[in-house]
Amino acid sequence: DTGVSQDPRHKITKRGQNVTFRCDPISEHNRLYWYRQTLGQGPEFLTYFQNEAQLEKSRLLSDRFSAERPKGSFSTLEIQRTEQGDSAMYLCASTKPGNTIYFGEGSWLTVV
Amino acid sequence: QQQVKQSPQSLIVQKGGIPIINCAYENTAFDYFPWYQQFPGKGPALLIAIRPDVSEKKEGRFTISFNKSAKQFSLHIMDSQPGDSATYFCAALPSGGSYIPTFGRGTSLIVHP
Repeated sequence: DTGVSQDPRHKITKRGQNVTFRCDPISEHNRLYWYRQTLGQGPEFLTYFQNEAQLEKSRLLSDRFSAERPKGSFSTLEIQRTEQGDSAMYLCASTKPGNTIYFGEGSWLTVV
Repeated sequence: QQQVKQSPQSLIVQKGGIPIINCAYENTAFDYFPWYQQFPGKGPALLIAIRPDVSEKKEGRFTISFNKSAKQFSLHIMDSQPGDSATYFCAALPSGGSYIPTFGRGTSLIVHP
């Protein structure tokens, strides 16, 4: 059990560029979540997958955001045309029914 | 709309003190209440969790008290240590269905030596 893995851990990008984050959940965890966390705030829900199906999306997930989990294993979160307001830590978490939800270390995004 | 309200925002105690962090929720569908600990630059890590069929749960120096009728729960840290200095988040979620945690805004705890 290697835990939830996120890559890259840090990303600095210019406004308007696209960025993609990857999350590898704990093996056999069929549920995967993306959260966003800004300084001094709690994690805010973005979206949730059960296997490869994206079952719920938050209003925070604007049209510039897209998440996929093509084979029900790893997931990607892409942000197109980044804005300064997108600067945050993007957290991935995974679980299986009735189990603890485990978080990754997060991917820090800074948009300059 | 903040579904889980957490207080205080920050807390400073001396070593050995007992910091108490409080949370209140609104959604009666919530029936699983975990607490997470987060160190700077790290993701949240599960500390302890409770279901509403019990009023208290202890794990080591950490205790959750739960008041179902008031829809409130709190975290107590006994004999606090400088290493407990971190941000603590309460969360609430329905154990069925989407199983999506909603988090409080966090409490920054500093324990002075």
